[in-house]
Amino acid sequence: SQTIHQWPATLVQPVGSPLSLECTVEGTSNPNLYWYRQAAGRGLQLLFYSVGIGQISSEVPQNLSASRPQDRQFILSSKKLLLSDSGFYLCAWSGGTRGLNTEAFFGQGTRLTVV
Amino acid sequence: AQTVTQSQPEMSVQEAETVTLSCTYDTSENNYYLFWYKQPPSRQMILVIRQEAYKQQNATENRFSVNFQKAAKSFSLKISDSQLGDTAMYFCAFMMRGTSYGKLTFGQGTILTVHP
Repeated sequence: SQTIHQWPATLVQPVGSPLSLECTVEGTSNPNLYWYRQAAGRGLQLLFYSVGIGQISSEVPQNLSASRPQDRQFILSSKKLLLSDSGFYLCAWSGGTRGLNTEAFFGQGTRLTVV
Repeated sequence: AQTVTQSQPEMSVQEAETVTLSCTYDTSENNYYLFWYKQPPSRQMILVIRQEAYKQQNATENRFSVNFQKAAKSFSLKISDSQLGDTAMYFCAFMMRGTSYGKLTFGQGTILTVHP
């Protein structure tokens, strides 16, 4: 069966510090990977998605970047955090060896507080 | 671009009763999926139910069922025999079908509280 791991669960970082959130998927190959952000407990906004190693698409301009160094690894980064980067970040995957994208599966999320 | 609208920020229901959450969407596409996700206080996103737009029959999963009105672009979720564990935020979401990616567009969510 497929599983998705995301860490850390909680992070408090000062303004101007770097950020690295990691997500890995097990039990499938060549998944599509996504980073979503949920601000103030409301809707989720897609930040980045990737259909393969090294292939990153950005949905919204922002202070963050994403990378996919390995097939099942997706990293969300920032060189200098802003207060507005605070939020709940969710990694997700779809497709892979399951075939066509028919639903997305989510990690447990990272609550990021920038102070 | 697709948009998803949930017009009910909060709803409440008594345990064992039925509640319906509303969702409307806008798209020019004909082939897509619609979802309801549940986010309990743990914040884990859990898939509740999925509807394929090309299927006329409404999807059901135990106590959860949908009323899918494609022409009206409406997709409501009915929860029967509500349980305390149904307390959560519920998100309606849209995904285009048949693309190489599975991006989801979410509504703003509805906070559902089930009272004993």
